[in-house]
Amino acid sequence: GAGVSQSPSNKVTEKGKDVELRCDPISGHTALYWYRQSLGQGLEFLIYFQGNSAPDKSGLPSDRFSAERTGGSVSTLTIQRTQQEDSAVYLCASSLGQTKNEKLFFGSGTQLSVL
Amino acid sequence: GDSVTQMEGPVTLSEEAFLTINCTYTATGYPSLFWYVQYPGEGLQLLLKATKADDKGSNKGFEATYRKETTSFHLEKGSVQVSDSAVYFCALSPQAGTALIFGKGTTLSVSS
Repeated sequence: GAGVSQSPSNKVTEKGKDVELRCDPISGHTALYWYRQSLGQGLEFLIYFQGNSAPDKSGLPSDRFSAERTGGSVSTLTIQRTQQEDSAVYLCASSLGQTKNEKLFFGSGTQLSVL
Repeated sequence: GDSVTQMEGPVTLSEEAFLTINCTYTATGYPSLFWYVQYPGEGLQLLLKATKADDKGSNKGFEATYRKETTSFHLEKGSVQVSDSAVYFCALSPQAGTALIFGKGTTLSVSS
């Protein structure tokens, strides 16, 4: 596609429910990143994929968070048993994944609200 | 570990004022440095970058110089416009195959 696509754009859920957030990166981009943006907290790294592998998942805040990537393309971030502190904007980005000088292309994010 | 520290905002300026947003970093190797910008209602986008010491990145009138001796990458613009109102993020990339590390962001508000 033309850019990084995320869905849904907004998600309201009840505490304790599971949610799935989807990211469709730019075609041909091997690197995919998930970040979380909260008020006053800036951009918090969650997980990084190179192809279908996740060499760095050090930012996942708890075992309620998991992510997968299939076919070197679409990625899904799953949050189980959501808590109110999970409310944030979840951002996905992709890049060619070849050098440290590369530009990241960001999606518009999923605004998650846990009631 | 590697990290980025940038000045806290909000920064409030009048149109045509001079802007500096400070950014310092900690890194063990030779990272690449970036400034990303998030305009209201829009996604994050790259503003400028520098890949080695003494490099100057520039775009849209903004500049930042990679200073290894002071581990800094301060963002400057000589004359800000209302349209520059946004959140600015300093970031570093430690090496290929690792995720970008971001600062907490600085909100800039420019009034006419």
